Amino acid sequence: EPEVTQTPSHQVTQMGQEVILRCVPISNHLYFYWYRQILGQKVEFLVSFYNNEISEKSEIFDDQFSVERPDGSNFTLKIRSTKLEDSAMYFCASSPTGSTGELFFGEGSRLTVL
Amino acid sequence: GQSLEQPSEVTAVEGAIVQINCTYQTSGFYGLSWYQQHDGGAPTFLSYNALDGLEETGRFSSFLSRSDSYGYLLLQELQMKDSASYFCAVRNNFNKFYFGSGTKLNVKP
Repeated sequence: EPEVTQTPSHQVTQMGQEVILRCVPISNHLYFYWYRQILGQKVEFLVSFYNNEISEKSEIFDDQFSVERPDGSNFTLKIRSTKLEDSAMYFCASSPTGSTGELFFGEGSRLTVL
Repeated sequence: GQSLEQPSEVTAVEGAIVQINCTYQTSGFYGLSWYQQHDGGAPTFLSYNALDGLEETGRFSSFLSRSDSYGYLLLQELQMKDSASYFCAVRNNFNKFYFGSGTKLNVKP
């Protein structure tokens, strides 16, 4: 069964460093998302991406963050100059169309900023 | 903006029925989804309601009332493996999904 894959599963970084989280969405999906979840809290929307551009972003998604789809399969989230409060689980998700209520989530990348 | 309210925790016994409510405030509402998340795992899709009424999928059912900005997830014949967090999520007209804070379901033998 097709699935969303994310790498790395866990990354530890020093405050101020740049991090790139990678995702391979399901191949025929058209909508891509990044969410984050601080331990024990809710799943927070960061950004949605469609047709090679950002379609929506939240207040959390400031200049520190960027997304890219560098080729036909990968979807990346870059976090510049990481802060302690960026420590969280980052989930990539994809959806085949805009008419379904179902998001397919990857297993997540746990980011720890020291 | 968006806001979703759901109970933080619910406890029930194996074999019982439990209902998890969700009330929401949002602009451009398209539908309400439900997700299950086990500790350390990814959210997995359970159900979606775009129209008023009940959707049934096996032991799980979901209900939506658009006029009341309210929905619920009904879990029947509870099993120990149903112990998890359950999130409601509103889908808005930009195909963006906002999640509630989650309800931790504890199933006891």
